[in-house]
Amino acid sequence: QKEVEQDPGPLSVPEGAIVSLNCTYSNSAFQYFMWYRQYSRKGPELLMYTYSSGNKEDGRFTAQVDKSSKYISLFIRDSQPSDSATYLCAMSPDNYGQNFVFGPGTRLSVLP
Amino acid sequence: DGGITQSPKYLFRKEGQNVTLSCEQNLNHDAMYWYRQDPGQGLRLIYYSQIVNDFQKGDIAEGYSVSREKKESFPLTVTSAQKNPTAFYLCASRRQVSSYEQYFGPGTRLTVT
Repeated sequence: QKEVEQDPGPLSVPEGAIVSLNCTYSNSAFQYFMWYRQYSRKGPELLMYTYSSGNKEDGRFTAQVDKSSKYISLFIRDSQPSDSATYLCAMSPDNYGQNFVFGPGTRLSVLP
Repeated sequence: DGGITQSPKYLFRKEGQNVTLSCEQNLNHDAMYWYRQDPGQGLRLIYYSQIVNDFQKGDIAEGYSVSREKKESFPLTVTSAQKNPTAFYLCASRRQVSSYEQYFGPGTRLTVT
């Protein structure tokens, strides 16, 4: 079993839809949770960062962490074609970059 | 305009040849990282460096080598010992080892035939 699981998609939604992207993990020691967006043939860019459980909102993006279920989510409201990308979750037991574990990514297409 | 540059964007090599991928950052970051990205898999850490003249192996260091002679530069050599070198290689940096934000370069797509 992989340490971090993510539905690879592709996930296709119409413009304006609410998108839900999810990751599950097995290591209960993970405390730091991140979501990255990666456009085709580009490097990932950090979207959201949360520590421990709870919600965090930034504009159209909301990150949720449920440590009891070992499940994290990223919600995108009012999705736009420019949101079409691969979304990677990442998590770590500490804040040291060398211990990050990345999910394989979910490819999202927002259709105009 | 600060950031991380990787060159070249695409690289083609014959099997048995060593190849060096460039990574330069002008963000004055202390820590730098090399990842490998394959379809259907998460990013996997190859090597990382927290300070100049020091680097550590990541999860999949076999067949790779690095150097960190300058703060802004962290080149990765893919040697002929790497059994499956065709992949997308990403370089990243962080201001400090414990800073949460990791900045990625645009990547180098290496194809070995």
